[in-house]
Amino acid sequence: DAGVTQSPTHLIKTRGQQVTLRCSPISGHKSVSWYQQVLGQGPQFIFQYYEKEERGRGNFPDRFSARQFPNYSSELNVNALLLGDSALYLCASSVFQGGGYEQYFGPGTRLTVT
Amino acid sequence: QKEVEQNSGPLSVPEGAIASLNCTYSDRGSQSFFWYRQYSGKSPELIMFIYSNGDKEDGRFTAQLNKASQYVSLLIRDSQPSDSATYLCAVTGSYIPTFGRGTSLIVHP
Repeated sequence: DAGVTQSPTHLIKTRGQQVTLRCSPISGHKSVSWYQQVLGQGPQFIFQYYEKEERGRGNFPDRFSARQFPNYSSELNVNALLLGDSALYLCASSVFQGGGYEQYFGPGTRLTVT
Repeated sequence: QKEVEQNSGPLSVPEGAIASLNCTYSDRGSQSFFWYRQYSGKSPELIMFIYSNGDKEDGRFTAQLNKASQYVSLLIRDSQPSDSATYLCAVTGSYIPTFGRGTSLIVHP
């Protein structure tokens, strides 16, 4: 089975621009989460969607938004990019089994804001 | 504020030794505990999960959970240079995991 896929792999944007990142979950997984990871830190939670509904939102500004589509794929949008938005953006899909939600990450999108 | 604490390291062990990685968490309601391995420049890879107090073994890996002490650990037996990576601890109360900063492990030949 294919794992979580993300596109694009790398992206370079200028301050003030907008960016859209895409994610396709593992087949059968209905939940998708987005994380931001900067060097030396653990992933920071941005959003979680389940069955196309937002189930959680982390401590990120309103410039960050996301949505989940009927096929469970997801997009993360970031408006008015700042230099501090430069990071690895991770998408994870999860499934409940064995007593907990197991979460599997995609390869990530490396965003550089100049 | 839910917190997950890990020693950033680096933890350096010789090849063949046991590496012990530790994690503490603040939320007593936490129910699920995960260990991820992350190689430099790559995304995290799930290697172990544990939901009940005690030990869980999978190959060279053993996860240990003590909810009373709010402590979870990962033991890696017969460490190999290929185990050199950052190990992330993640703790979940309901649906959303909180990650620690990770511990850097270096296994030297």
